[in-house]
Amino acid sequence: DTGVSQDPRHKITKRGQNVTFRCDPISEHNRLYWYRQTLGQGPEFLTYFQNEAQLEKSRLLSDRFSAERPKGSFSTLEIQRTEQGDSAMYLCASSFGDRETDTQYFGPGTRLTVL
Amino acid sequence: AQRVTQPEKLLSVFKGAPVELKCNYSYSGSPELFWYVQYSRQRLQLLLRHISRESIKGFTADLNKGETSFHLKKPFAQEEDSAMYYCALSGISGNQFYFGTGTSLTVIP
Repeated sequence: DTGVSQDPRHKITKRGQNVTFRCDPISEHNRLYWYRQTLGQGPEFLTYFQNEAQLEKSRLLSDRFSAERPKGSFSTLEIQRTEQGDSAMYLCASSFGDRETDTQYFGPGTRLTVL
Repeated sequence: AQRVTQPEKLLSVFKGAPVELKCNYSYSGSPELFWYVQYSRQRLQLLLRHISRESIKGFTADLNKGETSFHLKKPFAQEEDSAMYYCALSGISGNQFYFGTGTSLTVIP
């Protein structure tokens, strides 16, 4: 296990298209987080899962965004009808435990460009 | 509302000089505070958290609730400390996380 992995690493799409990103957490990590990072900003929390349950969603996560973690292992983040404002780096992180102080391990990110 | 503020986008210090990266936060209750670091071409990783009261790579950070600050300090900067540093806060329930905009530290040889 080499850590959190994300696929694809880069995605270029046209406005209005749907895109889906995948995150594979570290094995046995029960928590999985999604963040979005735009140029010059820090990561912005989008949502997180404890096992397969989605426990929190940021107001940043509009109706066009949906995330799943069906078996409590990998997760997908789908963006429907992409807009140019969706262009960003999408980061995934995972942790083991149930405390907010548990270390989050980040993936390399998926860079989305919407033309 | 801005939860975490890092006033310096860029910070340059000479090797061997002390370094302080500022972080102020705004949150009611007792948040958990963290410092994350991203070295060039590497992933974002946890540097330290206030609850552990630890020193990592010579860095320390003290939570000052009166000033709502969590500044990161190191007495003698090294070239390998050059990186992007993010201050982060976890809310009361631990269900949301807030990152600052980051400070890019450059240590001049």
